[in-house]
Amino acid sequence: DQQVKQNSPSLSVQEGRISILNCDYTNSMFDYFLWYKKYPAEGPTFLISISSIKDKNEDGRFTVFLNKSAKHLSLHIVPSQPGDSAVYFCAATFSGTYKYIFGTGTRLKVLA
Amino acid sequence: DTEVTQTPKHLVMGMTNKKSLKCEQHMGHRAMYWYKQKAKKPPELMFVYSYEKLSINESVPSRFSPECPNSSLLNLHLHALQPEDSALYLCASSQVLAGGPNEQFFGPGTRLTVL
Repeated sequence: DQQVKQNSPSLSVQEGRISILNCDYTNSMFDYFLWYKKYPAEGPTFLISISSIKDKNEDGRFTVFLNKSAKHLSLHIVPSQPGDSAVYFCAATFSGTYKYIFGTGTRLKVLA
Repeated sequence: DTEVTQTPKHLVMGMTNKKSLKCEQHMGHRAMYWYKQKAKKPPELMFVYSYEKLSINESVPSRFSPECPNSSLLNLHLHALQPEDSALYLCASSQVLAGGPNEQFFGPGTRLTVL
């Protein structure tokens, strides 16, 4: 049973435009969510996170939105750059625990 | 130093070999993790050490044996592996915050091939 899902395996976006990556989860007890970026042959790199008490968190070009009623979060990248091309994983966890549940990943390709 | 390092980067081993993967961090983190990642799949948690004690073992076969010699080092000893164990093995570390989020920092991984 996949508790965290990323239904789009891949996404292509023109440079300078907005990239929107989506993530759905089933367990309403999750209270903390994270986005990681992964380049080939490298480990995941932490990007941005959000607590369930918020609905938005922004860090530079990256904004994460959380819709608890829909059990949905999204990552917006504006403007998209070719260096953003990577696989993006969302992860959900319970605060105070160690276990992350990762989504299946979305491969983003930003076209120059 | 905000880096998690892992050695070796690549490892090829036979099913009868014994080998070890190593992970090191100097961020003062007291939780360290081993993950396994197969191609086109998300990372799967294997083990968690907290304050050098094993906190979580996700029902991992005994042919994988973790060890945490000190707060900066984490090893994964491998013995009698199967070809299906071929994967990217990722190490991560985090602070230990009671009730708080524990953002994990990942190393680059060891690409393991079992022949």
